[in-house]
Amino acid sequence: SQTIHQWPATLVQPVGSPLSLECTVEGTSNPNLYWYRQAAGRGLQLLFYSVGIGQISSEVPQNLSASRPQDRQFILSSKKLLLSDSGFYLCAWARDGEQFFGPGTRLTVL
Amino acid sequence: GQQLNQSPQSMFIQEGEDVSMNCTSSSIFNTWLWYKQDPGEGPVLLIALYKAGELTSNGRLTAQFGITRKDSFLNISASIPSDVGIYFCAGPQVSNYQLIWGAGTKLIIKP
Repeated sequence: SQTIHQWPATLVQPVGSPLSLECTVEGTSNPNLYWYRQAAGRGLQLLFYSVGIGQISSEVPQNLSASRPQDRQFILSSKKLLLSDSGFYLCAWARDGEQFFGPGTRLTVL
Repeated sequence: GQQLNQSPQSMFIQEGEDVSMNCTSSSIFNTWLWYKQDPGEGPVLLIALYKAGELTSNGRLTAQFGITRKDSFLNISASIPSDVGIYFCAGPQVSNYQLIWGAGTKLIIKP
């Protein structure tokens, strides 16, 4: 069966510090991968998606970047965090159009 | 572009009541997905619909794919406390690998 992991689960970072969130998928190969952000009480905002190693599509221009160094690894990064980067970050993989989510990372930027 | 309008935005119900929510679009969708998100967790796929007119159940949940392919409904019968959370509808975008998401329906059960 397939599983998706995200870490860390929670993170508190100062403004201006770097960020690296990691997502890994097990039990499937060459999945489409996605990073979403969710503000408190709000819907899902797609940030990046990837259809293969090294292939990244950005949906919203902002302070973040994504990379896919391995088939089942997806990384979300920032060089300098902003207050507005706070939120709940979700990684997902897709099969036949259905998306399956990880447990999320709660990021608080102070 | 394609958009999904989900309503209601929130619902306050008594335990035991039936719940109904819906998603509509001006565009045709070939698939409708319904997810539930518990607080502090990632969304979980509840029901997937692939055919116009399809009615699918998952326990106390029933979802329907509208005959026009522009809407979908999710019903929950005899709600219980663990039904609280945010319910999202979603459908695949025609041009790429993305899903279009509704804004969510927040279900709250009155004590």
